[in-house]
Amino acid sequence: DVVMTQSPLSLPVTLGQPASISCRSSQSLVYSDGNTYLNWFQQRPGQSPRRLIYKVSNRDSGVPDRFSGSGSGTDFTLKISRVEAEDVGVYYCMQGTHWPPFTFGPGTKVDIK
Amino acid sequence: QITLKESGPTLVKPTQTLTLTCTFSGFSLSTSGVGVGWIRQPPGKALEWLALIYWNDDKRYSPSLKSRLTITKDTSKNQVVLTMTNMDPVDTATYYCAQLHRGSFDPWGQGTLVTVSS
Repeated sequence: DVVMTQSPLSLPVTLGQPASISCRSSQSLVYSDGNTYLNWFQQRPGQSPRRLIYKVSNRDSGVPDRFSGSGSGTDFTLKISRVEAEDVGVYYCMQGTHWPPFTFGPGTKVDIK
Repeated sequence: QITLKESGPTLVKPTQTLTLTCTFSGFSLSTSGVGVGWIRQPPGKALEWLALIYWNDDKRYSPSLKSRLTITKDTSKNQVVLTMTNMDPVDTATYYCAQLHRGSFDPWGQGTLVTVSS
């Protein structure tokens, strides 16, 4: 199985300041079709996960443009340009290249300082 | 608008079989390329993918749980059913269903908490 790791696991942030979460995979996530199936999900307290980013850098419909994804191969990053109160929650990366199984990272908890 | 909703028992006893139903709207599981998956989340822990079924009845399972899982679909009812045998307290979790979209899962249902206890 592809192991996904995230850092940090806890991220206290100041409102209006940027935030960055790193995700690494145990092997390259480049698929034979040339795509890289790395996704980012947000889970607000008490809510279901919501996908923010698919294929490394594509924002889902309705996702604010302060969220951006980047990276390649085994190293990926989710950035929030200016953190807002509604961004509090746990963020997960997930790979969909080498499956089954789809595998998720352990999650990064974002809260306000 | 695409919606999914999970239903099933909130409490099961150890060794029993769990049956969960995902009822969805806004898409059809008879459309080429469409899939529905199940993912679970133990309290306070990370997400774990369980199973996926495609429009053509192709099924995929988590290798670590494959012997205990069965996923089926009823296209006429817009439902996907997941069964998990030999339930154990470590299977206590919120179980989600979600549409397969652009290579991953979006959107997700609200989830249903299943507790395994005698």
